[in-house]
Amino acid sequence: GDSVTQMEGPVTLSEEAFLTINCTYTATGYPSLFWYVQYPGEGLQLLLKATKADDKGSNKGFEATYRKETTSFHLEKGSVQVSDSAVYFCALTPSQGGSEKLVFGKGTKLTVNP
Amino acid sequence: NAGVTQTPKFRILKIGQSMTLQCTQDMNHNYMYWYRQDPGMGLKLIYYSVGAGITDKGEVPNGYNVSRSTTEDFPLRLELAAPSQTSVYFCASSYSIGGQPQHFGDGTRLSIL
Repeated sequence: GDSVTQMEGPVTLSEEAFLTINCTYTATGYPSLFWYVQYPGEGLQLLLKATKADDKGSNKGFEATYRKETTSFHLEKGSVQVSDSAVYFCALTPSQGGSEKLVFGKGTKLTVNP
Repeated sequence: NAGVTQTPKFRILKIGQSMTLQCTQDMNHNYMYWYRQDPGMGLKLIYYSVGAGITDKGEVPNGYNVSRSTTEDFPLRLELAAPSQTSVYFCASSYSIGGQPQHFGDGTRLSIL
């Protein structure tokens, strides 16, 4: 079945460091891909998305490109801030429609120190 | 702008008790979902609904029941609480159009003792 694999955490960085969180997926067809962020004590919020190959999603300085050839959707940010400390989830919606069910990776906890 | 609202935020149950987790959304979304989040395991889909009167099982439905009598509400019921159901539960909703994101509530933290 469909699955998402993301790099194990936790990840600890200093402020202004470069961030990469790897995400690869297994799915038939062309799924939609998402990054969600969960701040402490809160629900998940959509960070960015891409719905077709070579699309780049971006938001709040974060970027991810839908790479069909490598089945990847890696999250990057050039300069992280303390406020970016959160858990990041990569997810996909299978290309077969009808329910838009999300398949999640296990999440990567990011801590940014001043 | 309420979005998805879950109640209660916290609850402690004894083994064998029952309870209903409430979820309501004001975005007129057709699709609604219940997930559980266990530490280090991501989110697992319990049940989902594609519209009023229509529900279906997700990945981990055992021990739970749902109903969808209106577009707005999607309650999750635990009939006989077990320690394995200790988790954080999230409700979400989305439009019924491909590639649309899901909108999540703030979660219900449930402990079964």
